[in-house]
Amino acid sequence: QVQLQESGPGLVKPSETLSLICTSSGGSISSSSWTWIRQSPGKGLEWIGHIYNNGTTNYNPSLKGRVSISVDTSKNQISLKVRSVTAADTAVYFCARAAATSLFDSWGQGTLVIVSS
Amino acid sequence: SYVLTQPPSVSVAPGETARITCGGNNIGGKSVHWYQQRPGQAPLLVIFYDSDRPSGIPERFSGSNSGNTATLTISRVEAGHEADYYCQVWDRSSDHPVFGGGTKLTVL
Repeated sequence: QVQLQESGPGLVKPSETLSLICTSSGGSISSSSWTWIRQSPGKGLEWIGHIYNNGTTNYNPSLKGRVSISVDTSKNQISLKVRSVTAADTAVYFCARAAATSLFDSWGQGTLVIVSS
Repeated sequence: SYVLTQPPSVSVAPGETARITCGGNNIGGKSVHWYQQRPGQAPLLVIFYDSDRPSGIPERFSGSNSGNTATLTISRVEAGHEADYYCQVWDRSSDHPVFGGGTKLTVL
């Protein structure tokens, strides 16, 4: 059973870069694909981006090229960076495993990131 | 891009059956997955590939998908089922997931 845990700063200043890490336990991350999803307060789920097990990435166009996702297989970690953040990036950020590419069968507990000066 | 439409809220009495719909253009041709999200918690997969249940999800959760509507059905609803429920498909044309807006299930 895969367990995921997000970590990173809970407060980021506007215009800076949001950096989060998702650590996986219970198996090697190299055999799976991974997704970051966020949820603004009181809102629904918003897909941020995806990294396939071959390293290919795909990002939500609405984030206008501010996002990057990578994996560190030696540490079993998936990282997320969102550049030039604004208050609109305030949200709970979840990492999730993508099973068979299309569905998300394991989720981290989520981490709240507030963008504020 | 592909759009999924869910009712914002559904209310049912304890012991009754809740049906939560997810509308999309020819959604019957896609695989639909459903997630339960209790307050302050991460989403939990409760139905995948339209009607399959992950291990540990009780039989009272079921799903169907045809035409332009997919449906999540929860039978014998109890207070513990109060949560937000999201449907999700994979949009192959853009190669990314699409979520419905979510439905808040209230047990009266």
